Amino acid sequence: SYELTQPPSVSVSPGQTARITCSGDALPKQYAYWYQQKPGQAPVLVIYKDSERPSGIPERFSGSSSGTTVTLTISGVQAEDEADYYCQSADSSGSYVFGTGTKVTVL
Amino acid sequence: EVQLVESGGGLVQPGGSLRLSCAASGFTFSSYWMHWVRQAPGKGLVWVSRINSDGSSTSYADSVKGRFTISRDNAKNTLYLQMNSLRAEDTAVYYCARDEEGSLSYWGQGTLVTVSS
Repeated sequence: SYELTQPPSVSVSPGQTARITCSGDALPKQYAYWYQQKPGQAPVLVIYKDSERPSGIPERFSGSSSGTTVTLTISGVQAEDEADYYCQSADSSGSYVFGTGTKVTVL
Repeated sequence: EVQLVESGGGLVQPGGSLRLSCAASGFTFSSYWMHWVRQAPGKGLVWVSRINSDGSSTSYADSVKGRFTISRDNAKNTLYLQMNSLRAEDTAVYYCARDEEGSLSYWGQGTLVTVSS
């Protein structure tokens, strides 16, 4: 089955930049989406169609794509950004898939 | 305001059945694809199933194919997940979510399903 691979964890100091990668063979042909999930809460969409930001999401969240890898960048990380982050895409059959998840720790 | 409220979770024995519901409000339910996503305790998100806007097309993760059935009642603005032959590994919080051009733009707060004897 199709898999999206993310690093298990990323640590960053406040004010610095966090980059979270997501790799998958179908990503050149399918859009990627990113979700933030804080403990005990439902996920929240932070990036759609590789690089678009929903209304209400801070400008410090951005997305990019290159080949089989998409990247979520959080610029000027704040303490409130500490959370789990998941990428999501679809395979050729139309089934959806989530990445393995990355825990972002703000030092 | 878009609202999705799941219900129907609980404790069930292995091999048993459960039906989850997701009540939608604040948007035209019949215009959107809908999904179920689950999350086992301490684990990541796993996509379970999706249904198109009129219910004529469905898709399932391999892990639930043949055991789970997604459906919807657009007159009642409600999404369902019928879960049969439940296993311990189906224990999770189950979320319903609204699809918007491939993204899951709105999520409910989830309902916990525990499969245990």
